[in-house]
Amino acid sequence: AQSVTQLDSQVPVFEEAPVELRCNYSSSVSVYLFWYVQYPNQGLQLLLKYLSGSTLVESINGFEAEFNKSQTSFHLRKPSVHISDTAEYFCAVSEDSNYQLIWGAGTKLIIKP
Amino acid sequence: ETGVTQSPTHLIKTRGQQVTLRCSSQSGHNTVSWYQQALGQGPQFIFQYYREEENGRGNFPPRFSGLQFPNYSSELNVNALELDDSALYLCASSLRAYPEAFFGQGTRLTVV
Repeated sequence: AQSVTQLDSQVPVFEEAPVELRCNYSSSVSVYLFWYVQYPNQGLQLLLKYLSGSTLVESINGFEAEFNKSQTSFHLRKPSVHISDTAEYFCAVSEDSNYQLIWGAGTKLIIKP
Repeated sequence: ETGVTQSPTHLIKTRGQQVTLRCSSQSGHNTVSWYQQALGQGPQFIFQYYREEENGRGNFPPRFSGLQFPNYSSELNVNALELDDSALYLCASSLRAYPEAFFGQGTRLTVV
């Protein structure tokens, strides 16, 4: 069965430091991969996606993620975080056949000044 | 181009009551999916509608039901509310042949 694991429930990091949020998935078929961000008391906003092509995908605000098929991972990285990046980040997977999203439990990114 | 809108934003209901949540999909999108997000957890897929028919369902009991209308808007109905139904309910719209989904702000349901 398809599942998504986000290994860290919280990641504290100092402002301007680099960060990596980890995501692993299990699936026996082709998948699409997503990172969504959720600010307090708000809905989910798409941060970036892997559908096909280049395994490295980037967002407009400096985040990037790399699809690693052999390790079934889609880790999210940012070289220098800002206080405004404080939010919860969710990794999600959908299979080619149905596009229904399966979600990780989320990782809270805590920026320390 | 309007985004996904959900109403109401907040709702308080009593155990045993029924509730209807509404979602207007993004312009041009023909598929609507509903998710339940309990506090501190990731969203869980409830069901998806395409062309007014249910097109996939997660592990939710039959008291969770839905509708999709000809204009692609959708409703989520929950009967016989239980305390554990308290959650943020998220609606997402997409195009049938494309995996990217766009979410509304959600409806916060509290069952007391």
